Amino acid sequence: QQQVKQSPQSLIVQKGGIPIINCAYENTAFDYFPWYQQFPGKGPALLIAIRPDVSEKKEGRFTISFNKSAKQFSLHIMDSQPGDSATYFCAALYSGGGADGLTFGKGTHLIIQP
Amino acid sequence: DAGVTQSPTHLIKTRGQQVTLRCSPKSGHDTVSWYQQALGQGPQFIFQYYEEEERQRGNFPDRFSGHQFPNYSSELNVNALLLGDSALYLCASSSDTEAFFGQGTRLTVV
Repeated sequence: QQQVKQSPQSLIVQKGGIPIINCAYENTAFDYFPWYQQFPGKGPALLIAIRPDVSEKKEGRFTISFNKSAKQFSLHIMDSQPGDSATYFCAALYSGGGADGLTFGKGTHLIIQP
Repeated sequence: DAGVTQSPTHLIKTRGQQVTLRCSPKSGHDTVSWYQQALGQGPQFIFQYYEEEERQRGNFPDRFSGHQFPNYSSELNVNALLLGDSALYLCASSSDTEAFFGQGTRLTVV
């Protein structure tokens, strides 16, 4: 059972555009939602994270939008650059423990064309 | 700060063998989690160690075991290797909810 569904699987955007990656979760106990960026041959790097008590969080060019009632959250990358080309993963966690660590989506392969 | 370091970076083993992977957490972090990432997939949670004990476990067989040492470093052991165990094995350390990953160990089982 996939608890975090991520879309699209792949995305191509022109430089300067705003790629949007969406995730939906099922377990209402989740209370921490991070996004990770992964380059080939490297481990995932934490980009930005949000808790369900806020609807939006911005850090630099990265923004998370969160819709608690719909159980959905999304990542927006402003002024995208070719260096942003990577695989992006959303994840979810029940920080109270007893759950299975971070639950990841299947990833979105993002290409930013020059 | 060296961040999370894992060793070795690459490893080739034969079916049926046993393997040990190592992880040193980020300075100040006391919790270590291990994940398996198959090609083209998101990481899957294996287990988490805190205060030298396994605190949480994902849906992995008992062939997967681990250990945490007093200095918070950790080992992942996999016995009776199967071809399907070929993957990138990631270690993540944390002191709260934020988890930071190492570069991973690429295990190939032949």
